[in-house]
Amino acid sequence: DIQMTQSPSSLSASVGDRVTITCQASQDIGNYLNWYQQKPGKAPKLLIYDASSLETGVPSRFSGSGSGTDFTFTISSLQPEDIATYYCQQYDNLPPYTFGQGTKLAIK
Amino acid sequence: EVQLVESGGGLVQPGGSLRLSCAASGFTFSTYAMSWVRQAPRMGLEWVSAISGSGVSTYSADSVKGRFTISRDNSKNTLYLHMDSLRAEDTAVYYCAKGWGSVSYSVNYWGQGTLVTVSS
Repeated sequence: DIQMTQSPSSLSASVGDRVTITCQASQDIGNYLNWYQQKPGKAPKLLIYDASSLETGVPSRFSGSGSGTDFTFTISSLQPEDIATYYCQQYDNLPPYTFGQGTKLAIK
Repeated sequence: EVQLVESGGGLVQPGGSLRLSCAASGFTFSTYAMSWVRQAPRMGLEWVSAISGSGVSTYSADSVKGRFTISRDNSKNTLYLHMDSLRAEDTAVYYCAKGWGSVSYSVNYWGQGTLVTVSS
């Protein structure tokens, strides 16, 4: 199975900061990568698909990049409502579709 | 509007069985692959199982293979997860999730989840 290594596991930033999370796949997955946001007690929500495509209705301060094995998720200007845990997930070929370990984002 | 409503969770003893259901509405259910994803308390997300829109193709994680069975009834717009030989480590919130197409298993929408607790 493909392993996804996400970092950091947690981070603290100030409102207005640029925030970056990385995800590394154990093998080439092309651009078959999602980024999800999960707020406490809620279901995950898709933000980015195909590594860099913004899901409908998602604010443009969220973006994704990368291909192959190395991917980046960025919040250009952190807002208080962005406090959540973020997960990457690969969907190369057929399941199993593995998740990264998650990044818990807090406000400094 | 897409809606996915899970039910069937609860407390079950180790070795027991449980069947989860997910009632879908707001889209043509039979034309979308569906999945189950779980989240143990204070832990990350774990993909569990997926099924094609027709129900012909199914996939399961190694951790549940041989114990859990995913199925669907397209006439009732309902997804199921039958869980046998339950273990303490199966304790989690189980989410039903919708794919992008009939054989496109990547998830773009999630239900609110149902809690399964395996304990004596």
